Amino acid sequence: EADIYQTPRYLVIGTGKKITLECSQTMGHDKMYWYQQDPGMELHLIHYSYGVNSTEKGDLSSESTVSRIRTEHFPLTLESARPSHTSQYLCASSRTTGYNEQFFGPGTRLTVL
Amino acid sequence: GQQVMQIPQYQHVQEGEDFTTYCNSSTTLSNIQWYKQRPGGHPVFLIQLVKSGEVKKQKRLTFQFGEAKKNSSLHITATQTTDVGTYFCAGSSNDYKLSFGAGTTVTVRA
Repeated sequence: EADIYQTPRYLVIGTGKKITLECSQTMGHDKMYWYQQDPGMELHLIHYSYGVNSTEKGDLSSESTVSRIRTEHFPLTLESARPSHTSQYLCASSRTTGYNEQFFGPGTRLTVL
Repeated sequence: GQQVMQIPQYQHVQEGEDFTTYCNSSTTLSNIQWYKQRPGGHPVFLIQLVKSGEVKKQKRLTFQFGEAKKNSSLHITATQTTDVGTYFCAGSSNDYKLSFGAGTTVTVRA
């Protein structure tokens, strides 16, 4: 079982609130990713990082921001949540060399009222 | 950017039957990966294919990478209730970003 953690697992908040979704991995992976997935739908890459102090936007435009100050930690922040942000957010990480399979965390299911 | 198309979107299978899900890319891929997501769960890596024409088997699952490295398939024989879930293909082109297909959601009739 992969050692990648996300908190909280479920979050219900009101419009306009600032939230941070936490993601941590203990595998020493350089590469980390954030995906957004609506129920029963495909995964959309919203942010990725190839290492400390490296962050890039993904293929799907997102109003969220990320930071990578430590290798093991890749938090995602929404400054002002809106109902359109309601979704599941999945964090993943992968090795730098060899197989670049991605290990996924359990996800955070966000509901914005 | 590259796009990965996956069909069918839904597959309803009688227990014991075989089925295949297909994945096509608009560009040549360096590798393709397959993931399985159980209902309410997160994607779990199944396999990676790298070589043109490569075929790999995992028990009842057979994965194939096309000669042109633009398509792939997953064939499951003798479907069981444990096969329920959504199967995603994900392609990569010379970097570590994956483009996921829309997935094939499999339900099994006992």
